[in-house]
Amino acid sequence: NAGVMQNPRHLVRRRGQEARLRCSPMKGHSHVYWYRQLPEEGLKFMVYLQKENIIDESGMPKERFSAEFPKEGPSILRIQQVVRGDSAAYFCASSPGGVDEKLFFGSGTQLSVL
Amino acid sequence: RKEVEQDPGPFNVPEGATVAFNCTYSNSASQSFFWYRQDCRKEPKLLMSVYSSGNEDGRFTAQLNRASQYISLLIRDSKLSDSATYLCVVNTGRRALTFGSGTRLQVQP
Repeated sequence: NAGVMQNPRHLVRRRGQEARLRCSPMKGHSHVYWYRQLPEEGLKFMVYLQKENIIDESGMPKERFSAEFPKEGPSILRIQQVVRGDSAAYFCASSPGGVDEKLFFGSGTQLSVL
Repeated sequence: RKEVEQDPGPFNVPEGATVAFNCTYSNSASQSFFWYRQDCRKEPKLLMSVYSSGNEDGRFTAQLNRASQYISLLIRDSKLSDSATYLCVVNTGRRALTFGSGTRLQVQP
């Protein structure tokens, strides 16, 4: 009964490199959400996806950030040309249904940009 | 005004105390409310849903006041293990739940 799986747990990148964060939802869950948490701040919504569809990306920065949830495989959050301000904890959550459903979170990926 | 607003605390209370947190939300049409708990540098975990009539789970009681647009969490007989950040979570009309910034609780021996 695996929960939401995120990897890597820790990711270190130098400025200008690319970061790829992966998330496998709980079995039976088709809704995936990405949230970002800056140090000493709350969780900020980034993007909501279902299989092969981006449902809501209103929280995504306009440039350098993209997300996908392919038919097969995990959801990927991709950050191109990382900057120091991208350093944060990135949490993925899944739910069996839509926005009124409880969210189950992965352990997060801590991204550090040097 | 923030969509979901919480007092950041910290609330420092002795073991055995009763402590209450409030959270206000801006969208009067909001329908779903939750309290999550987050331990330092870990993922948030669902503590309890909040229902219109109020609900209780052991030492925890959640209440909803739609007229004033706030929800509350009451913790009785605080334990050291209750020390954490408590996140108020609301469906604010977006397609994803909105999290408050959290209220930090420190229970002291």
